[in-house]
Amino acid sequence: ETGVTQSPTHLIKTRGQQVTLRCSSQSGHNTVSWYQQALGQGPQFIFQYYREEENGRGNFPPRFSGLQFPNYSSELNVNALELDDSALYLCASSLGGRARDYEQYFGPGTRLTVT
Amino acid sequence: AQTVTQSQPEMSVQEAETVTLSCTYDTSESNYYLFWYKQPPSRQMILVIRQEAYKQQNATENRFSVNFQKAAKSFSLKISDSQLGDTAMYFCAFMKDNAGNMLTFGGGTRLMVKP
Repeated sequence: ETGVTQSPTHLIKTRGQQVTLRCSSQSGHNTVSWYQQALGQGPQFIFQYYREEENGRGNFPPRFSGLQFPNYSSELNVNALELDDSALYLCASSLGGRARDYEQYFGPGTRLTVT
Repeated sequence: AQTVTQSQPEMSVQEAETVTLSCTYDTSESNYYLFWYKQPPSRQMILVIRQEAYKQQNATENRFSVNFQKAAKSFSLKISDSQLGDTAMYFCAFMKDNAGNMLTFGGGTRLMVKP
């Protein structure tokens, strides 16, 4: 297992609500990326944080936002939840924000269900 | 934008046999990295093998090896001496060089190893 943890494991929310998912990076890693994995599909990149600054963003609307804290833990916030937001949310930490430091260590994910 | 395609949604193999999973990708980049990730039913994504595009030699990690054909934009994974623990979803992924370390994933191949 990697040293990346995520909480909660499962979450059920109602359409229109807001949700916060949390990720604790592997020790020494200053970069965290978030991915959305819909059922039966590959993960899709949401955004990345490097030393507390957003360092890249995928094709996701602004209601998906994030934070990275000085201890390099991270949050993913989703506002105005929609049914299509139901997915497994994965975070991955890595040593740096450059491709040469590319190996990413994934957490177990948070399964979000929106009803 | 990069795309990654895995044309085999499901595959099965007998224990101790060899299986090859296919992956093709489309990019205009000359420098990039390619990965195979394994996602067992426990959900935690694990890196299996990686290949730097500038290296002509195919990567090998124990029972796992790749066939990297840069001109054809093909990156297949060969698993030798398949074991029951190899049962999982396998994802092929692409990462540009000098652009953070965002991964673009394929849709995955579900591999079942049968006793």
